Amino acid sequence: GAGVSQSPSNKVTEKGKDVELRCDPISGHTALYWYRQRLGQGLEFLIYFQGNSAPDKSGLPSDRFSAERTGESVSTLTIQRTQQEDSAVYLCASSPQPPGSTLNTEAFFGQGTRLTVV
Amino acid sequence: SQQGEEDPQALSIQEGENATMNCSYKTSINNLQWYRQNSGRGLVHLILIRSNEREKHSGRLRVTLDTSKKSSSLLITASRAADTASYFCAANSGYSSASKIIFGSGTRLSIRP
Repeated sequence: GAGVSQSPSNKVTEKGKDVELRCDPISGHTALYWYRQRLGQGLEFLIYFQGNSAPDKSGLPSDRFSAERTGESVSTLTIQRTQQEDSAVYLCASSPQPPGSTLNTEAFFGQGTRLTVV
Repeated sequence: SQQGEEDPQALSIQEGENATMNCSYKTSINNLQWYRQNSGRGLVHLILIRSNEREKHSGRLRVTLDTSKKSSSLLITASRAADTASYFCAANSGYSSASKIIFGSGTRLSIRP
């Protein structure tokens, strides 16, 4: 597609249920990022993929959070046993180059998934 | 820990005035980027400044970078109502494969007509 696509755009789930969020990056983009944004706050780094490996998982808030990526394609962020504090917008971004590159490292964002845990 | 911190957190100015937002970061960077966010959803890239650059212009945007002070500023000249949004700086940290892009907490800019 022309841009980064995230699905679903909105998700309401009951506390304790598992959710899976999907991100389709721009074709050919090697770098993929997940961020969490609570209402009125900045972006909290969760995880970064280079290809299908994750050099940095330091931002995942707990072991209930996991993410994977298939090659240089789709990524899924899974939250198990959701809690109310997981309610936020989850943003995915892709970039044509890894962050350490001297070439274009601009990140292209999807519209996010708004997760509400009730 | 997150890298960038913007100030002010919120800024309200009259249309036509200039808006200046500042950003500080903690570690060495490869480049620093500024993004804009409308309505709390996807962010749009505005401008990128590399660690060996001191100033960059793009239309009504002017970005400066001072690596000795680990700070950057974004100036929007001749503001318009459509500039109302949240603005974030993003520090691209380092040169290793473990580097990443870390965002600040943002500045909410309101332009009064």
